[in-house]
Amino acid sequence: DTAVSQTPKYLVTQMGNDKSIKCEQNLGHDTMYWYKQDSKKFLKIMFSYNNKELIINETVPNRFSPKSPDKAHLNLHINSLELGDSAVYFCASSLSHQETQYFGPGTRLLVL
Amino acid sequence: SQQGEEDPQALSIQEGENATMNCSYKTSINNLQWYRQNSGRGLVHLILIRSNEREKHSGRLRVTLDTSKKSSSLLITASRAADTASYFCATQTQGGSEKLVFGKGTKLTVNP
Repeated sequence: DTAVSQTPKYLVTQMGNDKSIKCEQNLGHDTMYWYKQDSKKFLKIMFSYNNKELIINETVPNRFSPKSPDKAHLNLHINSLELGDSAVYFCASSLSHQETQYFGPGTRLLVL
Repeated sequence: SQQGEEDPQALSIQEGENATMNCSYKTSINNLQWYRQNSGRGLVHLILIRSNEREKHSGRLRVTLDTSKKSSSLLITASRAADTASYFCATQTQGGSEKLVFGKGTKLTVNP
C-alpha cells in the first residue's frame, strides 16, 4: 500500500541522454512536487503542481519538464542530461500547499 | 534562497539521552515542519506546527516554536539507536510563494 511511489529507484545513464522519472500517489492529494537533493543532502524544490496545473517552477533549467497526466501522477522528463544533474530526486504530495507533505523513496540518478 | 538553518549540523549521543535540535529562519511563516530522513531513504514527516502554535507533542517528540525569535526546536526524549537519522526543518513562508523551504539538516547519531 505504497502512498507515494517512484520509478525507477536507480538510474545510471550517459551524459546527453534523455530520461524520465515517474511518480504516483494513491493518497487522493491535490498537490504534487519534485525536489532535488544534492550530495550535501540539501533538498530544494523544483516544481509543484496542483490539480494538474503548474504552481511553482523554481529556477530549473528548461531541460527539465514535468508532466501531470492526472492529479495522481507527476512525471519528470530530463533532456540532454549533464554531470551536475546527478542527485537524488524526490517526489512528494500533499492535500494542499499548507499541509504535510508525503515523500516517495527517491530516485538516485547518476550521470556518467 | 535557504530559509531554515539547523543547529547543530551533527549530534552524537548515547541511547537513553535526550537530543535537541534547533532551527532558525528569516521571514514570517505560515507553518514549520520537521522531517526525518534515514540514510538512503525518503523523508518522513514528524510534526507540523502552525505560526499561532507554541508547542506540539507527538510520542517522544516535542516541538516548540518562537515566532518572535524566528526559531524552533525539536526534542527527542529517551533516544533509541533507531532514531539515528538526519532531521530537517522546513518552513512555509507567509504570502507569495507557497513552497516549503528546507534547511540543511542535523545528522543525529544515537549510540547503543
